[in-house]
Amino acid sequence: DIQMTQSPSSVSASIGDRVTITCRASQAISNWLAWYQQKPGKAPKLLIYAASSLQSGVPPRFSGSGSGTDFTLTISNLQPEDFASYYCQQVNSFPLTFGGGTKVEIK
Amino acid sequence: QVQLVESGGGVVQPGRSLRLSCAASGFTFSGYAMHWVRQAPGKGLEWVALILSDGSNKYYADSVKGRFTISRDNSKNTLYLQMNSLRAEDTAVHYCARGSSSGYFYSDYWGLGTLVTVSS
Repeated sequence: DIQMTQSPSSVSASIGDRVTITCRASQAISNWLAWYQQKPGKAPKLLIYAASSLQSGVPPRFSGSGSGTDFTLTISNLQPEDFASYYCQQVNSFPLTFGGGTKVEIK
Repeated sequence: QVQLVESGGGVVQPGRSLRLSCAASGFTFSGYAMHWVRQAPGKGLEWVALILSDGSNKYYADSVKGRFTISRDNSKNTLYLQMNSLRAEDTAVHYCARGSSSGYFYSDYWGLGTLVTVSS
């Protein structure tokens, strides 16, 4: 199985900051990667697919990059509604696997 | 609009069975693959299973293989998860999610989830 390692596990940031979350796969997955946002008590929301493609309706301050084993989710100009947990997921091979998550908290 | 509504969760003893349902509306259910994803209390997301649009292929996480069965009834717009031999570690909110039209392995719409608690 492919292991997904996210870092950091949590980050404190202020409104307007730029936040970067990284995700590393235990083996190469090309660009078969998604990013999800989850707010407390809510279902996850797809933000990015194919490593860098923005899901419809997602603000352009969210961006994704990377290929192979190393990936990045960047949130530019952090907004109050962006405080949430973020998960990467590899979809290169079964079983599909998620990273452990990154909680973005208010500084 | 796309709606997914899970049901069937509850408290069940270890070793017993439970069947979850997910009622879909607002899209052509028979045209989309569907996933089950779960989240233990206070923990991260765990992908559970995927079924293709016509039910021809099914995929499972190692942790549930041989115990859980994903199925669907396209005439009823409903997805199912039959869970047998339940264990304490199966305690989680179980979400159904639609496979994205950008690639069915991505999940673009999610239900609110149903809680399964396995406890004696």
